[in-house]
Amino acid sequence: AQSVTQLGSHVSVSEGALVLLRCNYSSSVPPYLFWYVQYPNQGLQLLLKYTTGATLVKGINGFEAEFKKSETSFHLTKPSAHMSDAAEYFCAVSGFGTGRRALTFGSGTRLQVQP
Amino acid sequence: DSGVTQTPKHLITATGQRVTLRCSPRSGDLSVYWYQQSLDQGLQFLIQYYNGEERAKGNILERFSAQQFPDLHSELNLSSLELGDSALYFCASSVGGQGGQPQHFGDGTRLSIL
Repeated sequence: AQSVTQLGSHVSVSEGALVLLRCNYSSSVPPYLFWYVQYPNQGLQLLLKYTTGATLVKGINGFEAEFKKSETSFHLTKPSAHMSDAAEYFCAVSGFGTGRRALTFGSGTRLQVQP
Repeated sequence: DSGVTQTPKHLITATGQRVTLRCSPRSGDLSVYWYQQSLDQGLQFLIQYYNGEERAKGNILERFSAQQFPDLHSELNLSSLELGDSALYFCASSVGGQGGQPQHFGDGTRLSIL
């Protein structure tokens, strides 16, 4: 079985401050990890993904995430928050094999950016 | 624009009714996934199809069914609707059917049961 835990359902930062959204996963097989963003009344947009290789992954809109196997973590960061980053962010995991192909999502973190 | 098209965007119906949600995947994608997003359950996987064949099942109720047609579009059928079925239903597509491939999501169909 696989699961994702996102710490903090709401995170508030000031514009220009560091964004850190936490994600821990559980998987019995090597995981594939994803971060998605959802803006109001829209679908989910892929920010970045980790499959194999380099553990520091860069995505769109200045976001990046680091896969740490020893900590079973895949935290999302951005050096400087913009007002346009306000949205809900979902961490997700999938893997090989029956029952693991689909995405298992965390409960989401709503990011608020204060002016 | 993800390239995944879902219709209709909004659906309002009554308990006991049946509805059909439609999804057209991105051009070239063979796999279609259906997810349900609700306030109490979050985002949950329902079912996956790959090139017309059912590939995986998640937390899909027996009252729900889906299929993928030869042109690769997919339909999710929800019957004997209950108030608790009110949710946002997403379709996602990927090139192949294995885990690890990024899934591209449509904008969803918001289903409201009155």
